[in-house]
Amino acid sequence: DAKTTQPTSMDCAEGRAANLPCNHSTISGNEYVYWYRQIHSQGPQYIIHGLKNNETNEMASLIITEDRKSSTLILPHATLRDTAVYYCIVRVGALSGGSNYKLTFGKGTLLTVNP
Amino acid sequence: ETGVTQTPRHLVMGMTNKKSLKCEQHLGHNAMYWYKQSAKKPLELMFVYSLEERVENNSVPSRFSPECPNSSHLFLHLHTLQPEDSALYLCASSHLYPLPSGMSTDTQYFGPGTRLTVL
Repeated sequence: DAKTTQPTSMDCAEGRAANLPCNHSTISGNEYVYWYRQIHSQGPQYIIHGLKNNETNEMASLIITEDRKSSTLILPHATLRDTAVYYCIVRVGALSGGSNYKLTFGKGTLLTVNP
Repeated sequence: ETGVTQTPRHLVMGMTNKKSLKCEQHLGHNAMYWYKQSAKKPLELMFVYSLEERVENNSVPSRFSPECPNSSHLFLHLHTLQPEDSALYLCASSHLYPLPSGMSTDTQYFGPGTRLTVL
């Protein structure tokens, strides 16, 4: 799976949009971009994933550049409960065929939402 | 109960004890996983079960013994652990290829974890 690069930490004011960047310049055509977050000492929580189109769900939006070498996770109205470590992960998805259970977590970005 | 549950949430044990961690998934998935997260380290994949068969064992010491009696339940049996085994143990589940009809994702969903302290 391709490697990702994320900033170590970011701050965001409560109520504002949080934009978390991720670089994945070596991504392959069959690799998806996944985002998870982990609030202190809890299990990682799935947020969103995408292949090449922008995606939106009730938690966040995922913007993937046209060349797929980077992406941005957007939390539209950050709250204090969004303070967590956010992980950007690139992996081959099941629709590409074959079993791929590997999910490699890096160090992620610590997002701190301030009142 | 929905999602992935784990019990107990916290466990303190001595090095000579035997204990078990339990995981249950209510998502109809066919694969289950154990991960370990030590302090300030990334998650490490320990074991993977697909359709109740172990398909991955990431060089985990034999003092950790997994068991998957059915597709909804996963156990991690612990015996003669060391203090350095203290960590957050996480269970996850997902579909694995080939995906069931109508499904388009093999996203892994995690439980809340068991915080293990070995004295």
